Amino acid sequence: QSVLTQPPSVSGAPGQRVTISCTGSSSNIGAGYDVHWYQQLPGTAPKLLIYGNSNRPSGVPDRFSGSKSGTSASLAITGLQAEDEADYYCQSYDSNLRGVFGGGTKLTVL
Amino acid sequence: EVQLVESGGGMVQPGGSLRLSCAASGFTFSNYAMSWVRQAPGKGLEWVSGISGSGDSTYYADPVKGRFTISGDNSKNTLYLQMDSLRAEDSAVYYCAKDFRGIYGSKSYYEYWGQGTLVTVSS
Repeated sequence: QSVLTQPPSVSGAPGQRVTISCTGSSSNIGAGYDVHWYQQLPGTAPKLLIYGNSNRPSGVPDRFSGSKSGTSASLAITGLQAEDEADYYCQSYDSNLRGVFGGGTKLTVL
Repeated sequence: EVQLVESGGGMVQPGGSLRLSCAASGFTFSNYAMSWVRQAPGKGLEWVSGISGSGDSTYYADPVKGRFTISGDNSKNTLYLQMDSLRAEDSAVYYCAKDFRGIYGSKSYYEYWGQGTLVTVSS
């Protein structure tokens, strides 16, 4: 029962494009707070993927992009590769709860 | 190179206490806010607590408020999490994470993460 709602799983074939949604409410994303995305490979710590809704840290391929609109945000991955198989989490801020994460989405590369 | 190394995890009985440490290197510790984020086995990420770089301001998630205390020692470049009155639902891998700026708040996100330390609360 995470404050930010993500689909539990998404999948795609190599080379395809997939999107992962992150839905919040008027007290978090809808209040104008930024959304950030993390990638967590199996057995490892999370890694920052997107910050400030749509910015990529250096070293993150431009296949990864983020967007935000209203009470939702999305992470898009184009040119899917086998090494993209991981869990993805969105993160924002909530007026009442402070730091909040989505429940996570498991990406499977078929 | 930024490095965050957590320690202090282990098994503890319900009601017990544990203190986690996070040794930081590769950046000026007092200039950045830090947070603890936990992940229960097979579950998602949960923000636990945050502290400003100066140590003046601390913040807690509701489930741990009144039981956990975050602190930092700028002379040792180390972040701590004192956990008291532990419950089974506190069992998780605890990560320390470096904020991108000195203030914890609405714009916070985490540039760097440690490898995590496992806390198990069980009788």
